[in-house]
Amino acid sequence: EAGVAQSPRYKIIEKRQSVAFWCNPISGHATLYWYQQILGQGPKLLIQFQNNGVVDDSQLPKDRFSAERLKGVDSTLKIQPAKLEDSAVYLCASSPGRVWTGELFFGEGSRLTVL
Amino acid sequence: AQSVTQPDIHITVSEGASLELRCNYSYGATPYLFWYVQSPGQGLQLLLKYFSGDTLVQGIKGFEAEFKRSQSSFNLRKPSVHWSDAAEYFCAAPGAGSYQLTFGKGTKLSVIP
Repeated sequence: EAGVAQSPRYKIIEKRQSVAFWCNPISGHATLYWYQQILGQGPKLLIQFQNNGVVDDSQLPKDRFSAERLKGVDSTLKIQPAKLEDSAVYLCASSPGRVWTGELFFGEGSRLTVL
Repeated sequence: AQSVTQPDIHITVSEGASLELRCNYSYGATPYLFWYVQSPGQGLQLLLKYFSGDTLVQGIKGFEAEFKRSQSSFNLRKPSVHWSDAAEYFCAAPGAGSYQLTFGKGTKLSVIP
């Protein structure tokens, strides 16, 4: 079974530029999460989707971050314009979503460096 | 609201030695607690979880954790560490009124050959 796929793995941009990250969850997983992991900290949830609907985006900085999950499969996270403090690893995770078990399946992450 | 604290930022152990990583939790009801591992360059992987019942939980890769309500702890243990266990370990719990995981800041484990 293929795992959670993310791209790009690494991205370096200058502040005020834009960037987009892509995630393809495990086939059949209804729930998709985007986490932000800043160096030295644990992952912080940005947004949760159930199929193609948003369950929780309370911690998403909506003035610069946006995310979508069209057709309830893959998802894109966009940052525009980027700030220095957005330097982090952006982790995508998925779970089956039928019964909550707390087991999330994570991708390898997309590391963003903002100069 | 449920939250977790990992007091140790970095721990170094010798290969073959025993390991205990600390996790303290605060919660309002029966806790759900998790340990995840993040190996270099990889995503997080679930090691084990506690929902209820037996307070000693077995996980993958030879890890176990014990839930101690009296100490508000859920420490991760392994009797003999292997070099491949070098990674960052995260304790996690659902946040208030949700099933979304909140992670601790992590403990980085280094293993000396």
